[in-house]
This record gives sequence, structure tokens and C-alpha cells, in this order.
Amino acid sequence: GDSVTQMEGPVTLSEEAFLTINCTYTATGYPSLFWYVQYPGEGLQLLLKATKADDKGSNKGFEATYRKETTSFHLEKGSVQVSDSAVYFCALSDPYNQGGKLIFGQGTELSVKP
Amino acid sequence: DVKVTQSSRYLVKRTGEKVFLECVQDMDHENMFWYRQDPGLGLRLIYFSYDVKMKEKGDIPEGYSVSREKKERFSLILESASTNQTSMYLCASREGIAKNIQYFGAGTRLSVL
Repeated sequence: GDSVTQMEGPVTLSEEAFLTINCTYTATGYPSLFWYVQYPGEGLQLLLKATKADDKGSNKGFEATYRKETTSFHLEKGSVQVSDSAVYFCALSDPYNQGGKLIFGQGTELSVKP
Repeated sequence: DVKVTQSSRYLVKRTGEKVFLECVQDMDHENMFWYRQDPGLGLRLIYFSYDVKMKEKGDIPEGYSVSREKKERFSLILESASTNQTSMYLCASREGIAKNIQYFGAGTRLSVL
């Protein structure tokens, strides 16, 4: 079945460092891809999405490009802040399968130090 | 803003108790979902609902049931709670097929003793 694999954490960076969190997927169809973020004690918030190959999703300085040839959707940010400390989840969804359920990676915890 | 509200942030229950987790959304979304979140496993789908009184099993439905009597409310029921159901439970509703975006509640952390 469809699946998502993301790099293990925790990832610890200094403020203003460059961030990459790797995400790869396997899917039989043409899913949409998502990054969700979970701040401590909160639910998940959509960070960005891409619906087809070569689409780039971006939000709050984060970006990710849907790469069909490498089945990847890596999350990047040029300069992280302490407030970016959170758990990041990569996910995919086929909108016509099981109500569009999200299939998640295991999550990557990011800690940004001042 | 879409609001998905889960009735409890923290719950502590005893083994064998019947447990209800409630979720309400205010955007008239048709699809609603229940996931559980466990460290190292991400989120996994328990049940989902296409519309009122319609429900479908997800990937890990064993030990759970759901109820959707009104469009805005989707309840998760643990008929007889067990210690392996100690987890974080997250409810979500989806904004249509075209946008295919799910909005999540804050979660309920359930401990079964």
C-alpha cells in the first residue's frame, strides 16, 4: 500500500541555520502531498501542500517541491527561528480513496536553539 | 477560520470502561476522521465518515466504533478501554475533494490505567 518515509529526528539546529527534512513516498496513484506541523500541546496545522508533479508548495518561508521522478517532497527553509521548533509530518492523500485519508510519515522533531 | 473542537484535552480512564471522545466542526464539512498518534508511528486512521450516519473503517478499527448522528459531530467510542489504547487521539474534517485539506482538532490525550 501507499506509504511515507521521513528522516528520523530529533533534528537540532542553531537559529538562522538551513533546514532540510527529507520525505519520500510510495503510491500507486497520483496523490497530493502535504507537510503538517505540530507545535507542543497542539493539534496538526497544514504548513503547505502540492497536488501534482513539479508543484512547489510554500508558506512562512518553508517550501517543498513534488518530485515524481525521485518520489520525494523534501521540506526546506533557508533560515530557521526558535519559533519553528515543532514536530513536522509529511503526508500523502488520494482524494478519492477512503475519503481522502492522510497517510503520514513518523514525524520529525525539530529543535532550534538561540 | 475552520474550527475543529475536541471536547477533552486529557482523559484518564480505567480498563474496561466505555469511553466517548467527541469532536465538533463548524464548517459543514462532509468528511470527518479519527486518527491516533503514537511516537515513531505518526498518525494512523481509525475510522472516517462520508456524511451523517455513514462510516467506514480505517486502518486500525479494532476496539473502536464511531457515531455520526449530526453532520457537525463525530464521536469515537472505546467499548471497553484497554491499556494499549492509551494514546493521543486527533479528529479532523476535510474541506472537499478539490482542495482535499484536512483540519485538525487539538487532540485528546487518553490514558487507560
